[in-house]
Amino acid sequence: AQTVTQSQPEMSVQEAETVTLSCTYDTSENNYYLFWYKQPPSRQMILVIRQEAYKQQNATENRFSVNFQKAAKSFSLKISDSQLGDTAMYFCAFLDTGTASKLTFGTGTRLQVTL
Amino acid sequence: SAVISQKPSRDICQRGTSLTIQCQVDSQVTMMFWYRQQPGQSLTLIATANQGSEATYESGFVIDKFPISRPNLTFSTLTVSNMSPEDSSIYLCSVRTGEWNTEAFFGQGTRLTVV
Repeated sequence: AQTVTQSQPEMSVQEAETVTLSCTYDTSENNYYLFWYKQPPSRQMILVIRQEAYKQQNATENRFSVNFQKAAKSFSLKISDSQLGDTAMYFCAFLDTGTASKLTFGTGTRLQVTL
Repeated sequence: SAVISQKPSRDICQRGTSLTIQCQVDSQVTMMFWYRQQPGQSLTLIATANQGSEATYESGFVIDKFPISRPNLTFSTLTVSNMSPEDSSIYLCSVRTGEWNTEAFFGQGTRLTVV
């Protein structure tokens, strides 16, 4: 079974600064997907960014980028130019491509962006 | 993409009673899932709702406690039966539009409080 670990329960960053959220995972699969989801106080889960394991290039979406280290099973999220609207819970998630095909979530990191 | 309407958004229930949560999607989807998110915790998969057949439950969750229906490709219900205060959680419906579409979409969740 896959496990996803987020070692930072809470993080704080000042507006316009950069912050990195950590995620590690454990799997015996070779093909899989990794995600970062954001859950603001509204509870709506929103996909932030996706990485395919067979792609070496790190995914980027505007101010959000990842550092994917497959051998180390590490998948960190970097948020640049942080904005107040980035305040939320961030969940790292793993999706295998087998018949089970279900998401496994980490424990989450609560990010607070301050003025 | 998929837009999910989940009802009710919140409820307060007496212990020993049951609550049925509805999940309506604006398009036909292949995969539907139900998650539980206990206060301040991550998302835990309860079951995969299968159209036209019995749901597939994860370890620790049973059909008698969490019966699920999925009569078609756009609708599913989750019932929380014989509730106790330990069932107080957020329950989320999630869908993927196809087996090869890796992005998961989420409803806004149902916040259940059992008193």
